[in-house]
Amino acid sequence: ETGVTQSPTHLIKTRGQQVTLRCSSQSGHNTVSWYQQALGQGPQFIFQYYREEENGRGNFPPRFSGLQFPNYSSELNVNALELDDSALYLCASSLELASSSYEQYFGPGTRLTVT
Amino acid sequence: GDSVTQMEGPVTLSEEAFLTINCTYTATGYPSLFWYVQYPGEGLQLLLKATKADDKGSNKGFEATYRKETTSFHLEKGSVQVSDSAVYFCALSDSGGGADGLTFGKGTHLIIQP
Repeated sequence: ETGVTQSPTHLIKTRGQQVTLRCSSQSGHNTVSWYQQALGQGPQFIFQYYREEENGRGNFPPRFSGLQFPNYSSELNVNALELDDSALYLCASSLELASSSYEQYFGPGTRLTVT
Repeated sequence: GDSVTQMEGPVTLSEEAFLTINCTYTATGYPSLFWYVQYPGEGLQLLLKATKADDKGSNKGFEATYRKETTSFHLEKGSVQVSDSAVYFCALSDSGGGADGLTFGKGTHLIIQP
C-alpha cells in the first residue's frame, strides 16, 4: 500500500510569485485535505476536496486554491505569495466522507520559503 | 470556534518515566478527539483516537480517555523510551465527514533522555 506522497520537498519563492504543490493520496482514498503548519505551530486547515469538489474550507483567502483529479491526486495553488506564507504544507488523505471519526493519513509535507 | 490547548514544551523526561501531556478542548458539538505524533523529518502519524465520551484510545503503550465533563483528552504512557522523542499534537474533528478539517493544538515537544 502506497502512502501519501508530496512534491517538491522544499522550494523557495519570491514574494508576489505563484506556487503549485502536489499530493498523491494513499491508494483507495478519495478525500484530500491541505494544512499549513507554521514553524512551532500546529497545522491549520486550508481546505478539503472530495471527488474533485471543494467540500470545506478554513480561514484562508481565495488566493489559496486547489484541485483534485480523477485519480484523487491533488494540487494546492497559492497566488501572490506573501512572506507569511512560509510554512510546511501538509496533505492528508482519507478513505471517504464518513463520521467525524474518519482517519486522515498525512504526507511528509512541502517546506515553502518565501523571500 | 473550536480550539485545542495543550501543554507547552519542551517536556524532558528520563527513560522509563511516566508521561502525561495535557490537552483540553472547546467545541460546539460532540467532537472526535485524536493524538498525532510527528517524528523529526516525517509527516504526522495518527497515534490514537476516541469518538465519544469515556472512550479510551490506546496504541503503542499510549492511552488517552475522552472526558466530556472536563473537556480533556490527556495523553499518558507508563514508561517512555528514547524512541518516543517527537512532537505530539492533540486534535479534534467537529464535523461529519470532516469538512471543517482537524483543529490542532500547537504541539508538545517531548525529549526522552537515556
